[in-house]
Amino acid sequence: EVQLVESGGGLVQPGGSLRLSCAASGFTFSSYAMSWVRQAPGKGLEWVSAISGSGGGTYYANSVRGRFTISRDNSKNTLYLQMNSLRAEDTAVYYCAKRTSPYQFADYWGQGTLVTVSS
Amino acid sequence: QPVLTQSSSASASLGSSVKLTCTLSSGHSSYIIAWHQQQPGKAPRYLMKLEGSGSYNKGSGVPDRFSGSSSGADRYLTISNLQSEDEADYYCETWDSNTQVFGGGTKLTVL
Repeated sequence: EVQLVESGGGLVQPGGSLRLSCAASGFTFSSYAMSWVRQAPGKGLEWVSAISGSGGGTYYANSVRGRFTISRDNSKNTLYLQMNSLRAEDTAVYYCAKRTSPYQFADYWGQGTLVTVSS
Repeated sequence: QPVLTQSSSASASLGSSVKLTCTLSSGHSSYIIAWHQQQPGKAPRYLMKLEGSGSYNKGSGVPDRFSGSSSGADRYLTISNLQSEDEADYYCETWDSNTQVFGGGTKLTVL
């Protein structure tokens, strides 16, 4: 059974940093691209970032490029999102999602972790 | 970059059927999409992949009541024999050049 478990969310001040983690199990982690998708309170889903199975390819939404960094440790079956220079508009539940192959949509989702950016 | 357009809300009676629409932007009418369901307070759940031909493949455990179809740039999700647990937000998703795109979502109310 595929499981994705996010952690690392919390309250952070504007301009601060936070690192999210997503522990994966139930599939061959290194064979699949992974994504982060967020959802602001009361709003829809917004794709944030994605990374290839090897980690050699990384992709970002314009809204986070230059501030967020996606990475993965295939030896630990874990996905990360380093978030720097956080803004109030980054407040959201952050979901990690497994991408299908060879397509690029999400076929499994984690339960999400809440990030609140506020002073 | 494709854009996905969804109606903001829909409603139907318990036991009836409802058809939700996701429309692809001009020049992207052949794109494959995915449908996701998000029940209140829960994470999204993948429902199905839907091609422009109307062929669809459902995710694990998705009830037979859920089906997909297509016409031109429109992608449909039909839910038959509506149950109370079908009351949720439904999102369509596509992708282009490693960028994922979501529609704004349709809030389905079961009356």
